[in-house]
Amino acid sequence: AQSVTQPDIHITVSEGASLELRCNYSYGATPYLFWYVQSPGQGLQLLLKYFSGDTLVQGIKGFEAEFKRSQSSFNLRKPSVHWSDAAEYFCAVEEGTGGFKTIFGAGTRLFVKA
Amino acid sequence: DTGVSQDPRHKITKRGQNVTFRCDPISEHNRLYWYRQTLGQGPEFLTYFQNEAQLEKSRLLSDRFSAERPKGSFSTLEIQRTEQGDSAMYLCASSPRDTVDYGYTFGSGTRLTVV
Repeated sequence: AQSVTQPDIHITVSEGASLELRCNYSYGATPYLFWYVQSPGQGLQLLLKYFSGDTLVQGIKGFEAEFKRSQSSFNLRKPSVHWSDAAEYFCAVEEGTGGFKTIFGAGTRLFVKA
Repeated sequence: DTGVSQDPRHKITKRGQNVTFRCDPISEHNRLYWYRQTLGQGPEFLTYFQNEAQLEKSRLLSDRFSAERPKGSFSTLEIQRTEQGDSAMYLCASSPRDTVDYGYTFGSGTRLTVV
């Protein structure tokens, strides 16, 4: 069965510092991968997605992610974090068996310190 | 386009009562999903509609749960005889077709507290 692991429950970075959030997936075929962000009391917002082509994908709010098949990873990065990036981040894999349901990781909460 | 709307935002109910939540997807989206999110966890898939047809249900969706999408527009999720374990955020999402191309647009959720 497909699964998504986000090894870090929470991460704290200083404003202006770079950020990398880790995501590992388990899926037999070529995965469809997503990163979502959830601010307190809000629904999830799609940051970026990967399903084929260039393994480095750009998203909104200055985020990017790199798909590495050999490592079964899809890590999210941002070169310079802003205080407004503090939120919970979810990595997800699409179960492309025709059911079109998405499996989410448990999330990584990002804290930004001044 | 006002996004995905969910009503109510919060619901407190006594154990054993029935509750119903509503979701209004983006009007041109034909796919609608319900997810449940508990504290410290990512969303878990509950069920999926394409237009008015309910095409998939999770094993998480016990017989106390029922979802409908009449006429392929808004959807309702009903929980009968609520239990404390039902306390969670219930998220609705919609997409125009394949999520591969578009991803989901989520609503802000309905937070259910069963006391």
